[in-house]
Amino acid sequence: DVKVTQSSRYLVKRTGEKVFLECVQDMDHENMFWYRQDPGLGLRLIYFSYDVKMKEKGDIPEGYSVSREKKERFSLILESASTNQTSMYLCASSSTGETETQYFGPGTRLLVL
Amino acid sequence: AQSVTQLDSHVSVSEGTPVLLRCNYSSSYSPSLFWYVQHPNKGLQLLLKYTSAATLVKGINGFEAEFKKSETSFHLTKPSAHMSDAAEYFCVVSEFFLGNQFYFGTGTSLTVIP
Repeated sequence: DVKVTQSSRYLVKRTGEKVFLECVQDMDHENMFWYRQDPGLGLRLIYFSYDVKMKEKGDIPEGYSVSREKKERFSLILESASTNQTSMYLCASSSTGETETQYFGPGTRLLVL
Repeated sequence: AQSVTQLDSHVSVSEGTPVLLRCNYSSSYSPSLFWYVQHPNKGLQLLLKYTSAATLVKGINGFEAEFKKSETSFHLTKPSAHMSDAAEYFCVVSEFFLGNQFYFGTGTSLTVIP
């Protein structure tokens, strides 16, 4: 059974804190993704990675960075959290190929005070 | 440019009646199309996907979708709604030639009335 796990289901942080969101997949997938989900906006891509140590900006990378040191792990970093980064963060992974599917983690709901 | 439009942000149906969630897309090449469901406080779960084989795709929980290239549509249907179908539904398009990225619609919230 495929599995994508995220380190926390809920997080509360203060403005200015550095925040790490971890995502691990056990499917040996090449591609990994970070999205944020906000009401009325659907899912928006922050960053994605198609290989170890590779990263590409998505639609809304500002205020975020990522790290992929190992194939199974993709970390999202908020260098200095702000209240407008309060959101649901979803990690996904997929295998390279024409018709492959994204598999999602359960999400991390982040509140920045 | 690729885009996905979910025509209804909210849909309300009575239990036992048909469900129709509409999705239109734009794509330069041959897309793969997906429907995902998200129950409250959960991640996204794949319902079904279209990958250039049969245009009528059957998914889990009695859902199906029909790919209509001439109408650039991929509407999701179910003959009879169940209370457990109440959730958020996302239509997604993917194009391999663009590095296997996925483009999401803004979602349709389905309410099922007892």
